[in-house]
Amino acid sequence: GEDVEQSLFLSVREGDSSVINCTYTDSSSTYLYWYKQEPGAGLQLLTYIFSNMDMKQDQRLTVLLNKKDKHLSLRIADTQTGDSAIYFCAEQGGSYIPTFGRGTSLIVHP
Amino acid sequence: NAGVTQTPKFQVLKTGQSMTLQCAQDMNHNSMYWYRQDPGMGLRLIYYSASEGTTDKGEVPNGYNVSRLNKREFSLRLESAAPSQTSVYFCASNSGFQETQYFGPGTRLLVL
Repeated sequence: GEDVEQSLFLSVREGDSSVINCTYTDSSSTYLYWYKQEPGAGLQLLTYIFSNMDMKQDQRLTVLLNKKDKHLSLRIADTQTGDSAIYFCAEQGGSYIPTFGRGTSLIVHP
Repeated sequence: NAGVTQTPKFQVLKTGQSMTLQCAQDMNHNSMYWYRQDPGMGLRLIYYSASEGTTDKGEVPNGYNVSRLNKREFSLRLESAAPSQTSVYFCASNSGFQETQYFGPGTRLLVL
């Protein structure tokens, strides 16, 4: 079946850039998502990219997609303490249901 | 719009007790979902309802039942709770195939 892999933890200093990586296996993926989960809360959609795009930029967020390698990344510029959260990568191909990664805990320290 | 709401926020049960988790959405979405989230496991789909009147099993349906009461509401029932069902439960909804999911705030369940 489909699988989505992410590293579990990332620690960065405030003001630096953060890069969270994700790999997936479903070659029929058409949508790829990044969700953010703050402590004690549900998941909120941060951004998404269509599989026919290479890059999408939205303010401090840049999503890069390498479809050949099935690799997705989320770059957060000028990372702030408020960016500390768990970030989930998800892909959706031919089914109703997206497949989620296990989440990357981003820790931002002063 | 309230989006997706879930009740209760927290619940403690004893092994063998039953309970129903409620979920409602006010976005006129066709599809609704129940997930559980466990540390290091990410999100696992329990059941989903692609449209009013239909329900289907997800990855981890054992020990759960669901009811799509109407277009707005989708409930999850634990008939006989077990400690392995201690988890955070999230409801989500979307307008249909390949559309973005919107999540509720979660229900934190502890089974003793």
